[in-house]
Amino acid sequence: QKEVEQNSGPLSVPEGAIASLNCTYSDRGSQSFFWYRQYSGKSPELIMSIYSNGDKEDGRFTAQLNKASQYVSLLIRDSQPSDSATYLCAVRPTNTGNQFYFGTGTSLTVIP
Amino acid sequence: DAGVTQSPTHLIKTRGQHVTLRCSPISGHKSVSWYQQVLGQGPQFIFQYYEKEERGRGNFPDRFSARQFPNYSSELNVNALLLGDSALYLCASSPDVNYGYTFGSGTRLTVV
Repeated sequence: QKEVEQNSGPLSVPEGAIASLNCTYSDRGSQSFFWYRQYSGKSPELIMSIYSNGDKEDGRFTAQLNKASQYVSLLIRDSQPSDSATYLCAVRPTNTGNQFYFGTGTSLTVIP
Repeated sequence: DAGVTQSPTHLIKTRGQHVTLRCSPISGHKSVSWYQQVLGQGPQFIFQYYEKEERGRGNFPDRFSARQFPNYSSELNVNALLLGDSALYLCASSPDVNYGYTFGSGTRLTVV
């Protein structure tokens, strides 16, 4: 079982719609969770971090964490074509020192 | 403010050769991590350094080594290059070990 799992997609949504990206993780004691956006040929860019259960909103982005279900999600409201990218979920488990585990990423395409 | 800077941006090496990749963190960031990303996959953890000490090592062979200097810059060394070492090598810095990373633009290594 992989430490972090994401649907690879591709996920396509029309412009203005809500895009929902999901991630599950295996270490129940994990404390730190991150979402990165990666454009093709570029390096990952941190867009959200979340540490406690519930929702965290930043502009059009909302991160949701449910530790009981070992599930973290990212919602993108009013999706724009510029949101088309691969979204990586990263988790810091408790027993791995300081490394973060990344999922394989979900490819999102926003259709104008 | 300068972000995380990596050099070189691209590199072509022959099997069996040695390579050194360099990274300068964001000013004030004391933690530097190295990740390898192959096409279609999420970044894989190689090393983390904090205050010039190794704080974590991923599942990579001993051909991979790294160090952090007093000014917090870092080098990643790879000996006896294999074709499978071809990847994007990402350096990331953070103020402390539990914060989200800021990635550099990466070094694209091609081994032929």
